[in-house]
Amino acid sequence: NAGVMQNPRHLVRRRGQEARLRCSPMKGHSHVYWYRQLPEEGLKFMVYLQKENIIDESGMPKERFSAEFPKEGPSILRIQQVVRGDSAAYFCASSPRLYSGANVLTFGAGSRLTVL
Amino acid sequence: DQQVKQNSPSLSVQEGRISILNCDYTNSMFDYFLWYKKYPAEGPTFLISISSIKDKNEDGRFTVFLNKSAKHLSLHIVPSQPGDSAVYFCAASVGSGGGADGLTFGKGTHLIIQP
Repeated sequence: NAGVMQNPRHLVRRRGQEARLRCSPMKGHSHVYWYRQLPEEGLKFMVYLQKENIIDESGMPKERFSAEFPKEGPSILRIQQVVRGDSAAYFCASSPRLYSGANVLTFGAGSRLTVL
Repeated sequence: DQQVKQNSPSLSVQEGRISILNCDYTNSMFDYFLWYKKYPAEGPTFLISISSIKDKNEDGRFTVFLNKSAKHLSLHIVPSQPGDSAVYFCAASVGSGGGADGLTFGKGTHLIIQP
């Protein structure tokens, strides 16, 4: 009875490297959200995806960040050329269908990225 | 600009007493509000929600109150238990049927229940 699985749980990167964070949604869920929590801040929406389609990426930084949710496999949040300001906890959440409503979201435990 | 504000970073309450967590918002378009609870090293979990057509919603020990004129909501936990120690996030959105891409979170309040 796996919930939303995120890996790695902790990732350390040096400035300029690439970070890849993976998210497998809950069984039966076909929609994925990514949120970022900077230190001492609340969660901020980044992107909303369904399989092979980006529904809303209004919260994604314009450069260096990309997300995908392929037909097979987990959703991936990719950060190129990381900078110290990218250090944060990245949470993935899944829902069963399009615009299910926020109260049925299931969050993963998060991936903590540290940029040295 | 912080549209959802939780002005108390932490709150300490004795076991058995009432815990009151507060949240203020500035966007008058928000009409659906949620509280999430988060333990260390875990993701947030949904706790309770309220639509703007109501001023109170109750679920067991948890009650959320909404004061639209003051743009203020509060979460009451009574009686408080040690397992309630966690970070509580207030969140708001425009429309309850919308996606969670519309959710705006506060910074959270760390509730500590003292034995």
